[in-house]
Amino acid sequence: DGGITQSPKYLFRKEGQNVTLSCEQNLNHDAMYWYRQDPGQGLRLIYYSQIVNDFQKGDIAEGYSVSREKKESFPLTVTSAQKNPTAFYLCASTSARGLFFYGYTFGSGTRLTVV
Amino acid sequence: EDQVTQSPEALRLQEGESSSLNCSYTVSGLRGLFWYRQDPGKGPEFLFTLYSAGEEKEKERLKATLTKKESFLHITAPKPEDSATYLCAVNNAGNQFYFGTGTSLTVIP
Repeated sequence: DGGITQSPKYLFRKEGQNVTLSCEQNLNHDAMYWYRQDPGQGLRLIYYSQIVNDFQKGDIAEGYSVSREKKESFPLTVTSAQKNPTAFYLCASTSARGLFFYGYTFGSGTRLTVV
Repeated sequence: EDQVTQSPEALRLQEGESSSLNCSYTVSGLRGLFWYRQDPGKGPEFLFTLYSAGEEKEKERLKATLTKKESFLHITAPKPEDSATYLCAVNNAGNQFYFGTGTSLTVIP
């Protein structure tokens, strides 16, 4: 079955540590996105990529970094510069046609907690 | 500025008690309005897309409607398995997405 796989499901980060969240899709989608979800707030866009080797900052990119070396993969690194990283992180993807008809396909999320 | 506002934040219903969730939007050129269902600890799942005022779509106990300013998600005779957070999102003329904060629905047996 086609879909988006996020790993790990739960991640714990110590102060000052960088951590990387994995996102892999086998839907052959060109565009991939990272969102952050906090209680009482809507999904906030961190980074997005519409093509391999190219990505753009979203609304809350500070303290995060990404890469897009393969079409299928869009990992997110939460750096030590991100002062409040505890949140639920969602990866999404879509195609040009899909964006119009159903929006995004989402992964199952990674819950990051600072310890 | 484009924005989406959902109400209420939380809704508790008895099983079989019908109700509606509201999604008000301000957008520069609506390309589509989307409804998603999100279960705890999981990613949102697609439910409906609406494109123009007057459009309606149905799926089992859910019916989504659209006007020029808002969308409603009507839930008829809900069951406990309908308990989830329902998210609304709009896609504007620039292909930018804006999400609401969601309505958390709890259906009590």
